[in-house]
Amino acid sequence: KNEVEQSPQNLTAQEGEFITINCSYSVGISALHWLQQHPGGGIVSLFMLSSGKKKHGRLIATINIQEKHSSLHITASHPRDSAVYICAVRFYGGATNKLIFGTGTLLAVQP
Amino acid sequence: NAGVTQTPKFQVLKTGQSMTLQCAQDMNHEYMSWYRQDPGMGLRLIHYSVGAGITDQGEVPNGYNVSRSTTEDFPLRLLSAAPSQTSVYFCASSRRSVGIYTDTQYFGPGTRLTVL
Repeated sequence: KNEVEQSPQNLTAQEGEFITINCSYSVGISALHWLQQHPGGGIVSLFMLSSGKKKHGRLIATINIQEKHSSLHITASHPRDSAVYICAVRFYGGATNKLIFGTGTLLAVQP
Repeated sequence: NAGVTQTPKFQVLKTGQSMTLQCAQDMNHEYMSWYRQDPGMGLRLIHYSVGAGITDQGEVPNGYNVSRSTTEDFPLRLLSAAPSQTSVYFCASSRRSVGIYTDTQYFGPGTRLTVL
């Protein structure tokens, strides 16, 4: 059983829509990452969170440690946002490099 | 900086053959990792290293070997390829973490491996 769950698995949106992707995990963590994987396959790190909220351009990531839940929001979505968004966590007590990944959310933004 | 580079980009092997996937980074990162990505599954950690001369196993280490003789390079060896090793392989690096936090991961472009 994957200890990191993402929802939805697939998401189709119209350009300009506000998008939310969710990530939940089973036990305490020390850090959570959001990553973006483009159709060409390259993976880019978007955010690393341990608490609160971070914003970069049109992307906002939040985390609620008590509820073991994080969200990635995209405001004013654009077709170039189409990608797979991946959540990854480092569990408490885990070795530094040991990230556990969700299976990803495939986002398609239509013009 | 070139970042994290991987070679080859594509490879086809026959069952039983051996090969080495190359990974190099020019950011002087201490931490390096190898992951495999399979359809419907999250990235899974194969092996990782926290510095030159130090390696450890991840979730799915069987059939793979690694070594880290320099900070820059972290090759992944397939000893005797099997069809179950058909996958996309990613190498990643990051700086040494401070305390309990994990620093930003930088990924290579991936190697798509097919074992017939």
